[in-house]
Amino acid sequence: GAVVSQHPSWVICKSGTSVKIECRSLDFQATTMFWYRQFPKQSLMLMATSNEGSKATYEQGVEKDKFLINHASLTLSTLTVTSAHPEDSSFYICSASSTGQGYQETQYFGPGTRLLVL
Amino acid sequence: GQNIDQPTEMTATEGAIVQINCTYQTSGFNGLFWYQQHAGEAPTFLSYNVLDGLEEKGRFSSFLSRSKGYSYLLLKELQMKDSASYLCAVRALTGGGNKLTFGTGTQLKVEL
Repeated sequence: GAVVSQHPSWVICKSGTSVKIECRSLDFQATTMFWYRQFPKQSLMLMATSNEGSKATYEQGVEKDKFLINHASLTLSTLTVTSAHPEDSSFYICSASSTGQGYQETQYFGPGTRLLVL
Repeated sequence: GQNIDQPTEMTATEGAIVQINCTYQTSGFNGLFWYQQHAGEAPTFLSYNVLDGLEEKGRFSSFLSRSKGYSYLLLKELQMKDSASYLCAVRALTGGGNKLTFGTGTQLKVEL
């Protein structure tokens, strides 16, 4: 149980284009989903928290107009990197948690999406 | 805010036991998590402590002392595949719900 998928796993794009990353909870309903970014040899940095049906809460320093988050259902959240630039190249990881019984509100992570902006 | 400290690197021998420490400072403590992350992959959940004491799960155990702001992850019978980064993460009631703050991770290298 508690499987989270992400798509795509790899994306290479030109500077100025937009990239959409999907995060899905496959076998549970995720009341909350989180988006992280991780640069090489660094820890995970939380970008935003999203609850189904409401606006995402962004961490300080994260531009909400650049990183658009949509959490339309209890099993799907999307992150769109708009007008991507080379400095946006990173490993983007989503996680999902549930207040359901047995989950202890543990965050379960997707496999990550590696973004390279040329 | 929160402050989480853990050693940057550790080396241990296959078959041995290793303890990875984590100290934290936070207000509204609401749980401590340990995750394992292999290079290029996403973190996988190892353990969760919210009360003081030891939680054992196979070769992995995690300990928490809330009064000392201290936790450790104990790995027994080390295997080569245990070479990975181990992330300590703290959840706090302040700042909204279920948000985790991660330490920088401890890179464990298991040698023959």
